[in-house]
Amino acid sequence: DQQVKQNSPSLSVQEGRISILNCDYTNSMFDYFLWYKKYPAEGPTFLISISSIKDKNEDGRFTVFLNKSAKHLSLHIVPSQPGDSAVYFCAAKGGFQKLVFGTGTRLLVSP
Amino acid sequence: NAGVTQTPKFRILKIGQSMTLQCAQDMNHNYMYWYRQDPGMGLKLIYYSVGAGITDKGEVPNGYNVSRSTTEDFPLRLELAAPSQTSVYFCASSLNRQGRENQPQHFGDGTRLSIL
Repeated sequence: DQQVKQNSPSLSVQEGRISILNCDYTNSMFDYFLWYKKYPAEGPTFLISISSIKDKNEDGRFTVFLNKSAKHLSLHIVPSQPGDSAVYFCAAKGGFQKLVFGTGTRLLVSP
Repeated sequence: NAGVTQTPKFRILKIGQSMTLQCAQDMNHNYMYWYRQDPGMGLKLIYYSVGAGITDKGEVPNGYNVSRSTTEDFPLRLELAAPSQTSVYFCASSLNRQGRENQPQHFGDGTRLSIL
């Protein structure tokens, strides 16, 4: 029973273009959503988050969009850079600070 | 500025052995967490703690024990290692206060554990 789903295991994008990573969730009680980036042999690094009372949050090249009616969020990276190549995890707060993670999307940005 | 430090980075255990995975944070965070990540999967919560002396089970607690005697340390204990516990283990911490509940968790670099 996967409450947070990232249906694309991988994504390839050219440098300078937009990367769009998607995430779907099933639990309408989730009230806080986060994106983490993970490089090999390192821990996840917090990237950006959004509260359920908002529909958009921006931080530099990264923007997260939340569509509560569709139970869908997405991460936009513009412009994409080779250093963005990593695995991206979507996570949702399922009550009392417990995070539920998706399975990740591997992003490859080619020069 | 160490953040969350996990030791060891790698370990191979035999079935039935026990070990403790260490986790320490220097950010004065009150909440700490243990996750495991299996290949191709997301992170799953094993145990968490909201402060010294207080711990609770997460999604997959069976086969593990934790303690939290100080704010800084949150060790994870495997008593009887089984092959199903082969995984990468991540420790995380966050600072949560009333009125500032939505805070990101900060992760260590993980312990890769193989049980043969």
